[in-house]
Amino acid sequence: QKEVEQDPGPLSVPEGAIVSLNCTYSNSAFQYFMWYRQYSRKGPELLMYTYSSGNKEDGRFTAQVDKSSKYISLFIRDSQPSDSATYLCAMISAGGSNYKLTFGKGTLLTVNP
Amino acid sequence: KAGVTQTPRYLIKTRGQQVTLSCSPISGHRSVSWYQQTPGQGLQFLFEYFSETQRNKGNFPGRFSGRQFSNSRSEMNVSTLELGDSALYLCASSFPPPTLPGLSYNEQFFGPGTRLTVL
Repeated sequence: QKEVEQDPGPLSVPEGAIVSLNCTYSNSAFQYFMWYRQYSRKGPELLMYTYSSGNKEDGRFTAQVDKSSKYISLFIRDSQPSDSATYLCAMISAGGSNYKLTFGKGTLLTVNP
Repeated sequence: KAGVTQTPRYLIKTRGQQVTLSCSPISGHRSVSWYQQTPGQGLQFLFEYFSETQRNKGNFPGRFSGRQFSNSRSEMNVSTLELGDSALYLCASSFPPPTLPGLSYNEQFFGPGTRLTVL
């Protein structure tokens, strides 16, 4: 079992739809949870990160973490064609000398105008 | 402020050759991490350097190696290339990440990557 599993998609939605992207993880040591967005031919860019369980909102984006279920989600409200990209969840443990990010495989999202 | 730069952007090599990729971090950043991205395996961590020392290493064979210079620029080398090494190689720079839980996450900024094709 991989440490991080991400719904593979691809996902195609109409403009204005609410999008839900999800990841599960197995390593209890993960403490920071991130969502990255990667446009074609670009490197990933950080969208949101959170440390604690619960919701964190930033504009049209909401990150949700449930540590008891080892489950994280990213919700995109009022999706726009410019949101079309691959979304990657990522996690990192803290403490000691472990600084590596562990990524999900990514979900390709297409928002159709 | 300039972002992370990687050179070259595209590279074509044949099996058995070796390759060196370069990464220049954001000015002031001292940590550089390397990742391999393929459709089948996704983004996988290769190694991380800080102050010219490798601090972390992923599960890749010894053909993959790296180094960091005193100006924080980093190179990674792949020897005896195999077809399966075809991938997008990404580097990311950051200030050192936190060592205690509860502190702000120090974002890793990614470069655009080097697309390596092995024929």
